[in-house]
Amino acid sequence: DTEVTQTPKHLVMGMTNKKSLKCEQHMGHRAMYWYKQKAKKPPELMFVYSYEKLSINESVPSRFSPECPNSSLLNLHLHALQPEDSALYLCASSLGLGESYEQYFGPGTRLTVT
Amino acid sequence: AQKVTQAQTEISVVEKEDVTLDCVYETRDTTYYLFWYKQPPSGELVFLIRRNSFDEQNEISGRYSWNFQKSTSSFNFTITASQVVDSAVYFCALSEANFGNEKLTFGTGTRLTIIP
Repeated sequence: DTEVTQTPKHLVMGMTNKKSLKCEQHMGHRAMYWYKQKAKKPPELMFVYSYEKLSINESVPSRFSPECPNSSLLNLHLHALQPEDSALYLCASSLGLGESYEQYFGPGTRLTVT
Repeated sequence: AQKVTQAQTEISVVEKEDVTLDCVYETRDTTYYLFWYKQPPSGELVFLIRRNSFDEQNEISGRYSWNFQKSTSSFNFTITASQVVDSAVYFCALSEANFGNEKLTFGTGTRLTIIP
């Protein structure tokens, strides 16, 4: 089973709202990732967690707050977003860090900020 | 710094034709990994292949094949007898072996359209 699930599939939020994106995997993977993808562009890395600890933060604005409650779950908390934050948010997981293992991606959450 | 170039922005072919997607990479490392991902209209990136820099053997998986040539820093992807379901954006990606800090660098993608 190489499935990564993400909820919700679509999200519309105002600039003053607080919302969360959720990601889950049951493959026993120890690394989890958040990416942002704008239309017709490749995914851009936002955060990497390894063994539930934040390993990489690609200088993402603080209005995006990641959380890894356990090895299977990854959340992205959103607050005071801007319209330019509208994008497809992809979660991924891999066996771990150290050997550039392949990443398995979820279907994404399509976020619209109004 | 690592870089991946996919010069073909869009390709259209008629169903059953063969098509090759080009990927050229730049890296200073001797140990690195190359990947191909498929992104259909649904949005999910589907992993296709991972290859390390020490394994230059070409690979075939069904209608898919990959040609890795270190001499030209290329990792090209060929689909034989294309089908409509192959229509998608295909990304080539590179990761340098940088323990704990490895990141995927994606190319800009090639949008492949298979015409029935």
